[in-house]
Amino acid sequence: AQSVTQPDIHITVSEGASLELRCNYSYGATPYLFWYVQSPGQGLQLLLKYFSGDTLVQGIKGFEAEFKRSQSSFNLRKPSVHWSDAAEYFCAVGLTKAAGNKLTFGGGTRVLVKP
Amino acid sequence: GAVVSQHPSRVICKSGTSVKIECRSLDFQATTMFWYRQFPKQSLMLMATSNEGSKATYEQGVEKDKFLINHASLTLSTLTVTSAHPEDSSFYICSASQRGRGYNEQFFGPGTRLTVL
Repeated sequence: AQSVTQPDIHITVSEGASLELRCNYSYGATPYLFWYVQSPGQGLQLLLKYFSGDTLVQGIKGFEAEFKRSQSSFNLRKPSVHWSDAAEYFCAVGLTKAAGNKLTFGGGTRVLVKP
Repeated sequence: GAVVSQHPSRVICKSGTSVKIECRSLDFQATTMFWYRQFPKQSLMLMATSNEGSKATYEQGVEKDKFLINHASLTLSTLTVTSAHPEDSSFYICSASQRGRGYNEQFFGPGTRLTVL
């Protein structure tokens, strides 16, 4: 069965510092990978996605992620964090059409930004 | 494009009553809709998948008689929480996807906060 692990439950970072959020997945087929952000009481916003091709993916709000097949990882990075980046971040793996195109989410990482 | 709405955004109800939540795809035809539940400070858990015109497929452990899902049109799916109890209080999020070649990406609604008193 597929699974997604986000090892860090909380991360605190100073404004202007770099941020890296870890994501490891387990899935038998080629993964479709996603990063979403959720502000309190809000829905999910897609930051970026990886389907195929270039393993370094650029997203919105200055985020990027790198797919490393050998490590089963899809870590999210941002060079310089803004106070507005404080939120919950979810990594997800999308299953194939045969498996219903379902999404499996990681447990999430809460990012706190210090002034 | 690919906008999904939910209504209501918040609902408070008394224990024992039923609550209906609507999920609409505003600018595309959603052949498949998904319903998720999210408890405070937790991740999203898939409850069920519904294909237009078909019965919903529920995930293990989700009571289909308690959470009634209808997907009668290509733009609307509804989730009805029947005989709601305080433990049903949660954040419910829907998503919608359109059948096509390749991976059918899901587009998420803004969520509905249900509080059962």
